[in-house]
Amino acid sequence: EVQLVESGGGLVQPGGSLRLSCAASGFTFSSYWMSWVRQAPGKGLEWVANIKQDGSEKYYVDSVKGRFTISRDNAKNSLYLQMNSLRAEDTAVYYCARKGQLTGEYYFDYWGQGTLVTVSS
Amino acid sequence: SYELTQPPSVSVSPGQTARITCSGDALPKQYAYWYQQKPGQAPVLVIYKDSERPSGIPERFSGSSSGTTVTLTISGVQAEDEADYYCQSADSSGTYDVVFGGGTKLTVL
Repeated sequence: EVQLVESGGGLVQPGGSLRLSCAASGFTFSSYWMSWVRQAPGKGLEWVANIKQDGSEKYYVDSVKGRFTISRDNAKNSLYLQMNSLRAEDTAVYYCARKGQLTGEYYFDYWGQGTLVTVSS
Repeated sequence: SYELTQPPSVSVSPGQTARITCSGDALPKQYAYWYQQKPGQAPVLVIYKDSERPSGIPERFSGSSSGTTVTLTISGVQAEDEADYYCQSADSSGTYDVVFGGGTKLTVL
């Protein structure tokens, strides 16, 4: 059974940093692109970042470029999101998600339950 | 990047057919995907590649595409189908920039 379990969320002051983790199990983690998707309270879904299987390619939504860094450790079956210079508008539930298996198509076939990040003084 | 536009809300009575649309200029060139999200839960993929249904998704969920609009159809709506639905597409030319629609709240009257 595929499982994605996020951790690391919490309350942080504006300008602060936080590192999210996602522990993957039930599939060959190193074979899949992985992503972070967020959802502000009461709002819709927003894609944040993607990372290729070997970490050689990373893509970000414009609003987090230069502030967030996606990374992975295939030996630990783990995905990470380092978030720096946090802003109030980064407040959201952050989901770890696996790219679906269709070649050339980007969509999400499995999601974690999410971890809440609150940026507030 | 581009946008995907969904109606904010759709309401239907149990047993009726619900249709949720998603419009975007890139949709003739890119596949669309649909997710169902119930309160306090993670999204679940219900349609992929415009009209394919993942295993475990009830047959009453179907998808279609015409020009710049894709449609999620739920036939014989049940109370348990009340949820938010999101369409999604992605630039498949290499960067894989992902875009979500704003979401549609389906209310079962």
